[in-house]
Amino acid sequence: SQTIHQWPATLVQPVGSPLSLECTVEGTSNPNLYWYRQAAGRGLQLLFYSIGIDQISSEVPQNLSASRPQDRQFILSSKKLLLSDSGFYLCAWNLQGTEKLFFGSGTQLSVL
Amino acid sequence: AQSVTQLDSHVSVSEGTPVLLRCNYSSSYSPSLFWYVQHPNKGLQLLLKYTSAATLVKGINGFEAEFKKSETSFHLTKPSAHMSDAAEYFCVVSVRSGGYNKLIFGAGTRLAVHP
Repeated sequence: SQTIHQWPATLVQPVGSPLSLECTVEGTSNPNLYWYRQAAGRGLQLLFYSIGIDQISSEVPQNLSASRPQDRQFILSSKKLLLSDSGFYLCAWNLQGTEKLFFGSGTQLSVL
Repeated sequence: AQSVTQLDSHVSVSEGTPVLLRCNYSSSYSPSLFWYVQHPNKGLQLLLKYTSAATLVKGINGFEAEFKKSETSFHLTKPSAHMSDAAEYFCVVSVRSGGYNKLIFGAGTRLAVHP
């Protein structure tokens, strides 16, 4: 069966520090991968999606970047965090051509 | 352009009473619609989905939603609330974009259930 792992669960970082959130999927191959962010009081916003290794598309301009070095690994990064980067980050995947998304358990990021 | 509006940011009900979480969508074609639930400290879980079959969709945990094209609505209901239903609920529309299905989320409705 397929599983998705996302870590860490919580993270507190100072402004200006780097960020690396990792997400891996098991039990499937060539998934679509997504990074969503849920800011307080707002819905989920799609940040990045990837349909293959090193194929990343950004939905909104921001202080973050994403990479997919392996088929089932998706990394969210920042060189210098801003206060506005605080939020709840969710990794998700689905099979190409399908709509049902499977979500990781999320990372609560607090930038202080 | 496709969009989703959840009309209530907070809904509070008593245990055993009906639940109604409202959602309106905007789509230029027949949409796929979903309801997701997010419990505290847990990931998102799919409750139900509508994909142009029956307009009344039954989901898990006794929830159901009715697609009403004339009203562009997809409200989520449950006849009798349980304490375990307290969570954040998201209405979602699916958009086909560049070879993948992009999900657009509503802002969410926080459901509180009181004894």
